[in-house]
Amino acid sequence: EADIYQTPRYLVIGTGKKITLECSQTMGHDKMYWYQQDPGMELHLIHYSYGVNSTEKGDLSSESTVSRIRTEHFPLTLESARPSHTSQYLCASSEGGGPYEQYFGPGTRLTVT
Amino acid sequence: QKEVEQDPGPLSVPEGAIVSLNCTYSNSAFQYFMWYRQYSRKGPELLMYTYSSGNKEDGRFTAQVDKSSKYISLFIRDSQPSDSATYLCATSGSGSARQLTFGSGTQLTVLP
Repeated sequence: EADIYQTPRYLVIGTGKKITLECSQTMGHDKMYWYQQDPGMELHLIHYSYGVNSTEKGDLSSESTVSRIRTEHFPLTLESARPSHTSQYLCASSEGGGPYEQYFGPGTRLTVT
Repeated sequence: QKEVEQDPGPLSVPEGAIVSLNCTYSNSAFQYFMWYRQYSRKGPELLMYTYSSGNKEDGRFTAQVDKSSKYISLFIRDSQPSDSATYLCATSGSGSARQLTFGSGTQLTVLP
């Protein structure tokens, strides 16, 4: 089983609040990713990182930001949450080899009221 | 047009049935083809992957890619209730970026 953790698992928060979604992996993987997933919709890549101090935006425009100060940690921050941010956020990691073997965390289901 | 189209389902079959899950893709540069399985309230997990065209078998699961028609399939033989999950196809090209492009998933229920 993949050792990638996300906290919190569920979060209900009011509009305008600042939130940070945590993601940690213990596999020493260089690459980490954040996806957004809505019911019945495909996963959309919103951020990725190929190593410490390296972050890039993904295909889906997002108002969130990320940081990668340590290899194992890749938090995602929303400065001011809005109802449109309501979604499931999935963190993943992979090592250097093929592009296919991404290990996913259990996800954070965010609801902004 | 989405780069990867997947039959949305939901699909409900009796235990023991053969299940066929399908995707089509539009980008001929895609070379890696994957199937992920996602149980309820969990993250996706890699089930199988293939490179380029051909078949790959792993137990009750067979992945099939036809690059000429840009068609991806996953067959499940002797389906079990534990196979009930959402199945996501994904593709990727080569190169340093190599991001995954996912289909929207097919929800499968295997009835005992």
